[in-house]
Amino acid sequence: AQSVTQLGSHVSVSEGALVLLRCNYSSSVPPYLFWYVQYPNQGLQLLLKYTSAATLVKGINGFEAEFKKSETSFHLTKPSAHMSDAAEYFCAVSEGTGTASKLTFGTGTRLQVTL
Amino acid sequence: GAGVSQSPSNKVTEKGKDVELRCDPISGHTALYWYRQSLGQGLEFLIYFQGNSAPDKSGLPSDRFSAERTGGSVSTLTIQRTQQEDSAVYLCASSSWGGYTFGSGTRLTVV
Repeated sequence: AQSVTQLGSHVSVSEGALVLLRCNYSSSVPPYLFWYVQYPNQGLQLLLKYTSAATLVKGINGFEAEFKKSETSFHLTKPSAHMSDAAEYFCAVSEGTGTASKLTFGTGTRLQVTL
Repeated sequence: GAGVSQSPSNKVTEKGKDVELRCDPISGHTALYWYRQSLGQGLEFLIYFQGNSAPDKSGLPSDRFSAERTGGSVSTLTIQRTQQEDSAVYLCASSSWGGYTFGSGTRLTVV
């Protein structure tokens, strides 16, 4: 069984500050991990994914995440927040990237960026 | 098509009515997934299709929910005798090796 825990349902940062969104996972097999972003009234957009290659994964919009097996974590970071980063972020885990692997999502973290 | 298309984008229905939600996946994607996103909650898995068969229906909340997929392409999620707790955004995704692409969802409101 697989599960995802996102610590903090709401995170607020100042524009230009570091963004850190936390994600811990549980999986019975080596996991594949994803971060998605959802803007208001829109679907989910893939930010980045870890599929057992490099542990530091770079994604779109300046985001990156590091897979740490010892900590079962896959935290999302961005060095400098921009107002346009305000959205809801979901961490997800699957047990493969094949066509028959469902995603299990965390409950999401809403990021607020203030001036 | 270029992306996953869902229709309608918004649906308001009266309690007790049946509704059908449609998903048109990316051409060539053999796997198709339905998720539900309720206010204040995360994304809840409902069902997935591999081709036209549904190996995992474990997330369907009740027997009022059903889904089918024809021709390995379009899928329809049907909710019978809708209840207010069915109000949510229903998201569809299709996948190929290495990634999942989500549609914009159908916002269902049961009044």
